[in-house]
Amino acid sequence: AQRVTQPEKLLSVFKGAPVELKCNYSYSGSPELFWYVQYSRQRLQLLLRHISRESIKGFTADLNKGETSFHLKKPFAQEEDSAMYYCALSGRTNAGKSTFGDGTTLTVKP
Amino acid sequence: DAGITQSPRHKVTETGTPVTLRCHQTENHRYMYWYRQDPGHGLRLIHYSYGVKDTDKGEVSDGYSVSRSKTEDFLLTLESATSSQTSVYFCAISFKPPLPPFEQYFGPGTRLTVT
Repeated sequence: AQRVTQPEKLLSVFKGAPVELKCNYSYSGSPELFWYVQYSRQRLQLLLRHISRESIKGFTADLNKGETSFHLKKPFAQEEDSAMYYCALSGRTNAGKSTFGDGTTLTVKP
Repeated sequence: DAGITQSPRHKVTETGTPVTLRCHQTENHRYMYWYRQDPGHGLRLIHYSYGVKDTDKGEVSDGYSVSRSKTEDFLLTLESATSSQTSVYFCAISFKPPLPPFEQYFGPGTRLTVT
């Protein structure tokens, strides 16, 4: 079975501070991992995919297979980063279905 | 927005009534999904489809049915709505199956209230 855990429901930081949103997963095969973001009353949108090893809006995430983690990081948080963030896992053999974590609400204070 | 729309965007209905939500996509994607979003539960998969007339259950499918008679439309039906089905419902499509990565693209959501 696949599982995604986001241990923090709420995270609050000040503008300019570093931020890290934690994500741990459980999956027996090779996972595809993603971070999605949902700004207030908007649709979810893809932020990052681990396979691309990209940086979007200053965010990065590294897959650590030893620790089964995919934490999202940004060195200097901005107020516009305030949103709900979901970590998601998709396996290669399950019709593209994704399992989502419960989400972390990030608030960046001025 | 990957050409995904949902209708209605908001609905209030009474317990026991049937409700159908529609997801429409314009880009001929094969895989479509219905999720519900609830505080403290994140996104949970209700049903998904991997082609016309091909559907399967997700983790929270009880009380829901789906149909896909055309590639572009994926309908979610609550046969007899209950207050526990008050939620925000999101439709999603996936670009790449059967080849990874399986990133998903979401519709704007439907806010359903069952009174």
